[in-house]
Amino acid sequence: TAGITQAPTSQILAAGRSMTLRCTQDMRHNAMYWYRQDLGLGLRLIHYSNTAGTTGKGEVPDGYSVSRANTDDFPLTLASAVPSQTSVYFCASSDSAGSTDTQYFGPGTRLTVL
Amino acid sequence: GQNIDQPTEMTATEGAIVQINCTYQTSGFNGLFWYQQHAGEAPTFLSYNVLDGLEEKGRFSSFLSRSKGYSYLLLKELQMKDSASYLCAVVDSNYQLIWGAGTKLIIKP
Repeated sequence: TAGITQAPTSQILAAGRSMTLRCTQDMRHNAMYWYRQDLGLGLRLIHYSNTAGTTGKGEVPDGYSVSRANTDDFPLTLASAVPSQTSVYFCASSDSAGSTDTQYFGPGTRLTVL
Repeated sequence: GQNIDQPTEMTATEGAIVQINCTYQTSGFNGLFWYQQHAGEAPTFLSYNVLDGLEEKGRFSSFLSRSKGYSYLLLKELQMKDSASYLCAVVDSNYQLIWGAGTKLIIKP
C-alpha cells in the first residue's frame, strides 16, 4: 500500500499567495495531523483531525486552515503565505486519536515562501 | 512548560555502539517514542516504551526510566545506513506528542 502521500514534493511560493498542500492516506486511519519541521526545532503540530468531519488546532495554527471531508484526505491551506511559513511540512496519520497509536508520516512537502 | 532535551549531534564509528539520550519534562506521561529520520525523508517509527526498562529489537534497544524522566536509544554494530536523525517524542496527559529537536548521528568508517 502507498500509506500516506503528499503533494507537491516541493514548492516555491510568492508571499501573499495562497496554496493548498495535499495529503491522502489509504490506511483507513481515523486521526490525521499536520506538522512543520524547522531546523533546530522539534516537529510542531499545526492542526489535527480526530475523525472525518472534525478538526482541531495544534501548537502553531495561525495562518493555516484544514478540512476533513472524508477519512482519506486532509488538505492544509495557507491563505496568504508569509516567509516565516518556509518549512518542511509533514502529514501523519494514526489509527485513533487520543491514544498511544503510532503515527505514520508522509514524505513531506518542502515549501519556500519568498 | 513541556520540554524534551536531546544532544544536537553525535559522531560514532562504524561497527561501534552509540547511546542517544533523551530527557523530558512534560505534563503527564503516556509513553515515549523513538523515530528515525534520514535526511530529506519522513520520520519512521523505531520504538515505543511506556514501562520502565529495556526493550530490545535487533540492533536497536530503547530504555525508559519514568522516575528520572529519561530514555535512551542504544544502537549496536553501527552501519553507515544508521546515519540519520533520531527523534524522541513523549505522549503527554492529553495524548499529544511532544517532540524533541532530534539528534543527528554521523557514522564514520
